[in-house]
Amino acid sequence: DQQVKQNSPSLSVQEGRISILNCDYTNSMFDYFLWYKKYPAEGPTFLISISSIKDKNEDGRFTVFLNKSAKHLSLHIVPSQPGDSAVYFCAASFGNEKLTFGTGTRLTIIP
Amino acid sequence: EPEVTQTPSHQVTQMGQEVILRCVPISNHLYFYWYRQILGQKVEFLVSFYNNEISEKSEIFDDQFSVERPDGSNFTLKIRSTKLEDSAMYFCASRPSTGSYEQYFGPGTRLTVT
Repeated sequence: DQQVKQNSPSLSVQEGRISILNCDYTNSMFDYFLWYKKYPAEGPTFLISISSIKDKNEDGRFTVFLNKSAKHLSLHIVPSQPGDSAVYFCAASFGNEKLTFGTGTRLTIIP
Repeated sequence: EPEVTQTPSHQVTQMGQEVILRCVPISNHLYFYWYRQILGQKVEFLVSFYNNEISEKSEIFDDQFSVERPDGSNFTLKIRSTKLEDSAMYFCASRPSTGSYEQYFGPGTRLTVT
């Protein structure tokens, strides 16, 4: 069951530059998408979300873009900071219920 | 800031034993969830709970699993007879009743079945 996919297991970005994390989904019924950040031995922390009726949502340094025709979303972090180093999970929901997660992308910010 | 709490942080048990994992969701939230993450794999949905009953469960959530909200604050996951493959991080999450899809996760309980 690969309804939500994050094809890059890892990404390294220089501090101050833009980090772009990508996510693809196959189920066109998904109507809400979320990004979570996870540190080792902690639970996922909610970062930002977007409804399927929008194509962009911004919150401070974080922006999520949704391309429904391509079934693709991305998270942009700018500027990247050392504290952003973590695993980032994309998740999708249908009808305000369970979250279906991707496999995660480990982001490393290089000072 | 309110947060979801879980106890214990780590539970070691022998195969065949019963375990109860406990969660205290955020106080004004009405939707509750359990997820698990086996080492190296994705976070998987187990069960959702609303209005004192299960609203959805995954195929993982078989007869060995049960959930309960015994009082106004706790939300528990019971595994009746643990198996080696139940070893995982178990996360509790909660969500407000209206206006928000965002689920807020606890720190997790690491369950090790030997």
